[in-house]
Amino acid sequence: AQSVTQLGSHVSVSEGALVLLRCNYSSSVPPYLFWYVQYPNQGLQLLLKYTSAATLVKGINGFEAEFKKSETSFHLTKPSAHMSDAAEYFCAVTTGTASKLTFGTGTRLQVTL
Amino acid sequence: DGGITQSPKYLFRKEGQNVTLSCEQNLNHDAMYWYRQDPGQGLRLIYYSQIVNDFQKGDIAEGYSVSREKKESFPLTVTSAQKNPTAFYLCASSPGQYNEKLFFGSGTQLSVL
Repeated sequence: AQSVTQLGSHVSVSEGALVLLRCNYSSSVPPYLFWYVQYPNQGLQLLLKYTSAATLVKGINGFEAEFKKSETSFHLTKPSAHMSDAAEYFCAVTTGTASKLTFGTGTRLQVTL
Repeated sequence: DGGITQSPKYLFRKEGQNVTLSCEQNLNHDAMYWYRQDPGQGLRLIYYSQIVNDFQKGDIAEGYSVSREKKESFPLTVTSAQKNPTAFYLCASSPGQYNEKLFFGSGTQLSVL
């Protein structure tokens, strides 16, 4: 069985501040991990994915995430938040096929001036 | 431009009525998926199809039905047996079942009158 937990349903940061969105996973076998972003009334867009290559994964729009097996974590970060980053972010895990992808409950990021 | 088109954007269902949500893709992807999104619950898989004329139930298939007569089309019917249909429905596709990256449509918001 696999699962993913996103800590904090809402996160608020100031423009220019560090963004940190937390994701912890549970998996009995080596996982594939993902971060997706959803803008209001839109579908999801892939930000980045970890598939057992480099543990530090760089994605689009300046986001990156680090896979830490010892902590079972895959937190998403961005050094400097921009107003356009305001959206909902989903962490997801699978141990194989896309049909077995398990999504977290999401974290809504608010960026203030 | 290649992508996934969902229609309509908004849909209203009367008591006892079946409604069908459309999903069309021109990405030449083999696999297609339907997810239901409720506030605070993330995404849950309803049905998926890996090839034409074949589909499998996901985690919450009760009250829903699908067909896959063409590679590019994967319509979802919300039947009268689904007692709580109000949700945001997302269609997605991937090149193959072993390719974990999902491409999403922009969703359909279904509400009950």
